[in-house]
Amino acid sequence: GAGVSQSPSNKVTEKGKDVELRCDPISGHTALYWYRQSLGQGLEFLIYFQGNSAPDKSGLPSDRFSAERTGGSVSTLTIQRTQQEDSAVYLCASSLQGAPANYGYTFGSGTRLTVV
Amino acid sequence: DAKTTQPPSMDCAEGRAANLPCNHSTISGNEYVYWYRQIHSQGPQYIIHGLKNNETNEMASLIITEDRKSSTLILPHATLRDTAVYYCIVRAIRQNFVFGPGTRLSVLP
Repeated sequence: GAGVSQSPSNKVTEKGKDVELRCDPISGHTALYWYRQSLGQGLEFLIYFQGNSAPDKSGLPSDRFSAERTGGSVSTLTIQRTQQEDSAVYLCASSLQGAPANYGYTFGSGTRLTVV
Repeated sequence: DAKTTQPPSMDCAEGRAANLPCNHSTISGNEYVYWYRQIHSQGPQYIIHGLKNNETNEMASLIITEDRKSSTLILPHATLRDTAVYYCIVRAIRQNFVFGPGTRLSVLP
């Protein structure tokens, strides 16, 4: 597609439920990143996929968070047993593999998750 | 942790140049300087990047000091739509982008 697409744009869930957030990167972009942004805060890195390499999961805050990327394209971020502190905007970004410094990331518009 | 230091907020009059400073005194030789901005309720948007030379595109100019320890993003004629949080990031190829708190720029009518 022309840009990074995320769905849903908004999600309200009850505490303790599982949620799945989806990211469709730009076609041909092999690097994909997930960040989250709590209200009034900066962006917090979560996880990074680069081609067929093992993902960098160093930013995942707990084992309730996981992500996968199927076929090197679409990615799903799953949060199990959601807690109120998980409420945030979850942002996905993609970039060209090995782009030396070109353009950096292109971000999606995010999924606003509210845990009640 | 972010490797950059930016003022938390700045004001600029509409139509005037906005000059946003960034300190990155520990920058390595292989790290580029990137600028992104985030308008309320949107994902961050790429603005410009550079290594050591000054750069200009349709959005902004980037001035990097000769020692590369600081830089300035210049919006030549700020408009109300330029009101946003501006992030200065240093990053080597294939590294993650680490976003600090940025500078909240308010363009005033």
